[in-house]
Amino acid sequence: AQSVTQLGSHVSVSEGALVLLRCNYSSSVPPYLFWYVQYPNQGLQLLLKYTTGATLVKGINGFEAEFKKSETSFHLTKPSAHMSDAAEYFCAVSDDNQGGKLIFGQGTELSVKP
Amino acid sequence: DGGITQSPKYLFRKEGQNVTLSCEQNLNHDAMYWYRQDPGQGLRLIYYSQIVNDFQKGDIAEGYSVSREKKESFPLTVTSAQKNPTAFYLCASSTPLDGGLNYGYTFGSGTRLTVV
Repeated sequence: AQSVTQLGSHVSVSEGALVLLRCNYSSSVPPYLFWYVQYPNQGLQLLLKYTTGATLVKGINGFEAEFKKSETSFHLTKPSAHMSDAAEYFCAVSDDNQGGKLIFGQGTELSVKP
Repeated sequence: DGGITQSPKYLFRKEGQNVTLSCEQNLNHDAMYWYRQDPGQGLRLIYYSQIVNDFQKGDIAEGYSVSREKKESFPLTVTSAQKNPTAFYLCASSTPLDGGLNYGYTFGSGTRLTVV
């Protein structure tokens, strides 16, 4: 069965600092991987996704993630944090064997200090 | 514009009552999903439906029921058997993007259910 683990339920960075949110997955088949962002009391917005091809994926708002098969990782990064980046972030893998449902990690809450 | 509409945004339930959360989409997506979100636990799948008149249990289906009588609608009923229903509920839909296993997902804005 596929699963996703996000390391760190809370991450705090200073404005302008590097953002690194960690995600590891387990999958017996080539995975489709996603990062979503959620602002309070709202739905999920897709930041980026990896399907096939280039392992470095660029998304919206300056975020990017690198698929590393050897490390089973899909960490999310942004070179310089903005105050508006404060939100909760979810890593997910698509369960291709069961109608494409998404399996989510536990989430990481990002705080940005001025 | 196409999208998913969840209603109501906030819902209060007395203990012992059944309540139904609405989810409607006009994206013509075949598959629809219900997730429950609790702090520190991410999103957990309650039920999903890949086609009209068919649905499957997810990881935490106990105390919930669904129906899929129309492609556009996938209502979730939280029954009195659900002992801890206070949570944020998200509905989603998906469609294959390239005829393979690559899906595009759309999420609603959620319903926050509180037991009073």
